[in-house]
Amino acid sequence: QKEVEQDPGPLSVPEGAIVSLNCTYSNSAFQYFMWYRQYSRKGPELLMYTYSSGNKEDGRFTAQVDKSSKYISLFIRDSQPSDSATYLCAMSAWAQGAQKLVFGQGTRLTINP
Amino acid sequence: DAMVIQNPRYQVTQFGKPVTLSCSQTLNHNVMYWYQQKSSQAPKLLFHYYDKDFNNEADTPDNFQSRRPNTSFCFLDIRSPGLGDAAMYLCATSRDQSNQPQHFGDGTRLSIL
Repeated sequence: QKEVEQDPGPLSVPEGAIVSLNCTYSNSAFQYFMWYRQYSRKGPELLMYTYSSGNKEDGRFTAQVDKSSKYISLFIRDSQPSDSATYLCAMSAWAQGAQKLVFGQGTRLTINP
Repeated sequence: DAMVIQNPRYQVTQFGKPVTLSCSQTLNHNVMYWYQQKSSQAPKLLFHYYDKDFNNEADTPDNFQSRRPNTSFCFLDIRSPGLGDAAMYLCATSRDQSNQPQHFGDGTRLSIL
């Protein structure tokens, strides 16, 4: 079993739809949770960063963490074609004297005009 | 404006011919990371530097080496590239080894002939 599971998609939705992206994890030591957006041929870009259970909102993006269920989500409201990208969840824990990030496989999202 | 810069963006080398990828940062971060990302897969951590201290992941092949001559620069050396080493190589930085978010460059896409 992978430490972090993420549905690879692809996911295709019409412009304006609400998008829900999800990851589950098995390691209770994960303390920090991130969502990265990666456009084709570019590096991952940090979207959201949180450490507590609950919701964190930033514009059209809401990150949700449920530590009891080991489940995190990213919601995108009023989705735009420019949101089309691969979305990677990532989690970190302190291991061997350093922060270690573990990524999900990424969900490829397409927003259709 | 770019804060983590990777050069070159695309690199082609021959099977077995050594290659060096470079990363520079303007963030003055203490930690620099190298990841390997194959198509449709999650980034995989190869190693990281905390200041001058080098930390290798247990499953990183000996073929991969790294150098960090100063705070701003870090290099990835692949001594004898094999076909399986074709991938995107991502450099990331974080301020320190606590749970600070990592910031990525746009990567170098390496092809092996």
